[in-house]
Amino acid sequence: DAGVIQSPRHEVTEMGQEVTLRCKLISGHNSLFWYRQTMMRGLELLIYFNNNVPIDDSGMPEDRFSAKMPNASFSTLKIQPSEPRDSAVYFCASRRTRGNTIYFGEGSWLTVV
Amino acid sequence: DQQVKQNSPSLSVQEGRISILNCDYTNSMFDYFLWYKKYPAEGPTFLISISSIKDKNEDGRFTVFLNKSAKHLSLHIVPSQPGDSAVYFCAASVGTGNQFYFGTGTSLTVIP
Repeated sequence: DAGVIQSPRHEVTEMGQEVTLRCKLISGHNSLFWYRQTMMRGLELLIYFNNNVPIDDSGMPEDRFSAKMPNASFSTLKIQPSEPRDSAVYFCASRRTRGNTIYFGEGSWLTVV
Repeated sequence: DQQVKQNSPSLSVQEGRISILNCDYTNSMFDYFLWYKKYPAEGPTFLISISSIKDKNEDGRFTVFLNKSAKHLSLHIVPSQPGDSAVYFCAASVGTGNQFYFGTGTSLTVIP
């Protein structure tokens, strides 16, 4: 079975540009998580969805960040406008709704210059 | 505020010896704990978990211990192997179906 698929794997963009990160869940999974990895905070939860519905978005840094699940198997995380401090690795993860384990994608490495 | 803390950013151990990675949490409602392992340029992968009804769970060379009164868990790897060199994250959740809170990670280096 395919795991969580993220794209792009690497993105370098200029400050002020819009960035869109994409994630495809594992088939049969109903929960979707977006994490950001930084040295200071480790794996920081940005937002998570159950059955396409956002459950907790309190980790989203500010209004420049938005996330959507247009269908049960796909999600996007958008940053507009991007800033250098957004540079980090962004991970998507999925899980069966009542499952105890989440499965991560390989991450999207974002650099904003 | 960080609810799950890993106070040691890094750890070095000789091959064949025991590696002990520690994790503390502040939320007494947490009842399920996991350890993830992360290699460079890869996503974290699940390693081992423990429910609060237990104080120990073992899987091969990996054992997780839970001390609920101290709000502390630890991961023991014995014997350590060079392939164990990675960043280890602990995570906690309240019940099932909820979010996981992760620590900042501990980078383990096993020296051949």
